[in-house]
Amino acid sequence: AQKVTQAQTEISVVEKEDVTLDCVYETRDTTYYLFWYKQPPSGELVFLIRRNSFDEQNEISGRYSWNFQKSTSSFNFTITASQVVDSAVYFCALSGSNTGNQFYFGTGTSLTVIP
Amino acid sequence: ETGVTQTPRHLVMGMTNKKSLKCEQHLGHNAMYWYKQSAKKPLELMFVYNFKEQTENNSVPSRFSPECPNSSHLFLHLHTLQPEDSALYLCASSQARGLAGAYNEQFFGPGTRLTVL
Repeated sequence: AQKVTQAQTEISVVEKEDVTLDCVYETRDTTYYLFWYKQPPSGELVFLIRRNSFDEQNEISGRYSWNFQKSTSSFNFTITASQVVDSAVYFCALSGSNTGNQFYFGTGTSLTVIP
Repeated sequence: ETGVTQTPRHLVMGMTNKKSLKCEQHLGHNAMYWYKQSAKKPLELMFVYNFKEQTENNSVPSRFSPECPNSSHLFLHLHTLQPEDSALYLCASSQARGLAGAYNEQFFGPGTRLTVL
């Protein structure tokens, strides 16, 4: 079975604080990809990152960083020095070798950055 | 126009109406998707088209009818909907997963906010 769990429903932080969004996944596939998307109030999901199951190196892109740990089936997302523009709903997703083109999305974490 | 566009952005319809949602992608992709997003629920994949052929239908009621005339356009025809069908309907596109097994990210449109009265 394929499943993505984002246990944090809502998070509020004060601007400039760091925040980590958790993502835990389940899959029986040995080859799979993990994704993070951002959904601002406008509604459109914006692609942030794709990571394959064979690459456990952490990745940093500006204020964003991702920590992929197969041992704990987690793919967490950290925003450093948060800004008001980071306020959005963030989705983690999984696509496996046996799922065709299907993505399995978590329920999302709503992040509010307070000025 | 760039990316993935959807029209209309908002739609209010009665249960006896017939309407259609339109999606167009300008990215040269060959796979397109319809998702339903309801409050407090994960995105629900409804339909997948690869190279204009429907490859997945996730037990979607027949009151939703997709159409993909070419790789750039995707429609969702709606008829006799129920109030519980009110949601944000998102269209996405990607390169299809080919023999090489590429797992390609999906690019989303802004969605159509549907309200069924």
